[in-house]
This record gives sequence, C-alpha cells and structure tokens, in this order.
Amino acid sequence: KNQVEQSPQSLIILEGKNCTLQCNYTVSPFSNLRWYKQDTGRGPVSLTIMTFSENTKSNGRYTATLDADTKQSSLHITASQLSDSASYICVVSDRGSTLGRLYFGRGTQLTVWP
Amino acid sequence: EADIYQTPRYLVIGTGKKITLECSQTMGHDKMYWYQQDPGMELHLIHYSYGVNSTEKGDLSSESTVSRIRTEHFPLTLESARPSHTSQYLCASSELSYEQYFGPGTRLTVT
Repeated sequence: KNQVEQSPQSLIILEGKNCTLQCNYTVSPFSNLRWYKQDTGRGPVSLTIMTFSENTKSNGRYTATLDADTKQSSLHITASQLSDSASYICVVSDRGSTLGRLYFGRGTQLTVWP
Repeated sequence: EADIYQTPRYLVIGTGKKITLECSQTMGHDKMYWYQQDPGMELHLIHYSYGVNSTEKGDLSSESTVSRIRTEHFPLTLESARPSHTSQYLCASSELSYEQYFGPGTRLTVT
C-alpha cells in the first residue's frame, strides 16, 4: 500500500534554532517528492521538489534531502523564525498512472517560540 | 505565488442548505482538483478534472459534485449540507500532474 509517514507529528523549537523533519514513504513507482508549507487556514505552498536522481535541494533556509534507496526524505530548517510556524507536508508522486497520483503525509506541525 | 482563488474563505451554514464553493485559476491549467482536509489530517482527493467537460471522482467518497464548463473555473456543490461535511476544502490546479498549485481554501462549518 502506498503511504507517506511523517515524524514527528508536532515540534516546538525556540527562534533561531535548527530542526529536521522526517518523511518515510512506500510509494512505488516513485516519481518525485515535494515538501509543502501550509500556514493555518491557508493552502499548501511548495518549498522544494526532488526527483529520483537528486539528493539535496535548497530553498533559502530550507534544505531537503532524499534517499531513494531507503525511501526517506528530510527537511532541515536553519535559524528558525517565528514565521516558520506552520504545518510541513511531505507529498510523493508516483509514475504509475496518467493522473500522476499524489500521496500526502499528515504533516509535522512546527511551532517556533520567541 | 500561484494565481488560484477560492471563495468564500469561510462559510457557516445550516443543515440542508445548498452551497457552492468557487475556485478559479488564471494560469490556463487544464488539470484542476478538489481536496478535503480535516485538522491534523492529510489531504484527500475528492474530485479532479483534466479539462473542460471532464470530471472524475477522487479517492475519498464525497456527496459533493463538480462541473468544468470553463477552463479557469471548477466549482464544487453540495446539494444538502450536513454537519459531516464540515471540513476545509482546497482547490488546486496544474499543468504537470505532480506540480499542483493550491488555493487558500474554504473552511466550511455546517451547523
């Protein structure tokens, strides 16, 4: 069964600290993996996207890694800011259908305290 | 920032009422999607469309219906709202299937 599991479910850190969010998936055949940031009451906004051949992708203070062999990805946030408080969702796409099916994780709820 | 819009952003309505959630995009995307999301849970695909006059049901069974008469417009309708329909509804569009752009969402509460 194709699934996307994220951990931790929630995380609280102090402003300025770094953190790492985890994503494990069983989606096959794999096409790409994307991390989204979703502010409360808003739609998800894409942070990074990685294909099978990419190991690392950065977007400002966000760095995503992908290990396609172990089917794991991580999102590292550097020097956190209050505005980083949001839900971070891991989304994996397969190559098995014309729809390009997306599989969503439940997200990690990050809270940054001053 | 993607050009995809949803209205209303918040809606509180009584049981039995008919509602339509609007979604519009100005990017000329052929593919559009509706997702349902409960707090702390993953997004579930309820409807999608490949283009004008094309609509399909998604993975999560939904009593809602959709239409696609124009490329830019993909409204979702509930003929008779119930408390179980209380949720956040997210609309998305894409040119490529995996690169979806999301609207801000409509938070629906049925009392």
